[in-house]
Amino acid sequence: EIVLTQSPATLSLSPGERAILSCRASQSVSSNLAWYQQKPGQAPRLLIYDASNRATGIPARFSGSGSGTDFTLTISTLEPEDFAVYYCHQRSDWFLFTFGPGTKVDIK
Amino acid sequence: QAQLQQSGPGLVTPSQTLTLTCAISGESVSSTSGAWNWIRQSPSRGLEWLGRTYYRSKWYTDYAVSVQSRITINPDTSKNQVSLQVNSVTPEDSAAYYCARDRGSREGAFDIWGQGTVVTVSS
Repeated sequence: EIVLTQSPATLSLSPGERAILSCRASQSVSSNLAWYQQKPGQAPRLLIYDASNRATGIPARFSGSGSGTDFTLTISTLEPEDFAVYYCHQRSDWFLFTFGPGTKVDIK
Repeated sequence: QAQLQQSGPGLVTPSQTLTLTCAISGESVSSTSGAWNWIRQSPSRGLEWLGRTYYRSKWYTDYAVSVQSRITINPDTSKNQVSLQVNSVTPEDSAAYYCARDRGSREGAFDIWGQGTVVTVSS
């Protein structure tokens, strides 16, 4: 099983600041990695797929980078609606997709 | 744009069978460019992919090893929906259950999600 580790567990920032979230895989997943945002009581929402491609309708302040085992989600300037939990998800292991434990971005 | 509408019980008795459905609109369940997945989320296990079904000249279904002995995912072409059946449920199966679409390949991601069904297993 490919294990995803996310850091930090919680990121306390103010609106307007830059957020950098990390996801590390226990083995290479190539570029088969996605990022999701989840707010309380809602389903996850796709932000980034194939490591660096923004999903339809996702603002340009969200960007993804990385390949192999180390990935980053950057939110360039936090908006009030960006405070949420973010999950990474690997799709390299076709018979066992896995998710990271999440990073909570909360208001400082 | 496809949409997914889930239905099913919110409370299930231990040892019974949980059945959830995911009604698909805007795309055929038999689409050769889609795959229909079930994912659950609980505080103890986080987000857990359970399995998928998809059509590529014939139907394919894959299950996560951790649950493959207890779950069944079935497409229903007459109703354009997908169902999830979990047998012999225990309190550990309490979770929010989601259906989600992807393109049935390693590329891409779960781009469309159902609204989720919160299931509690309790007597």
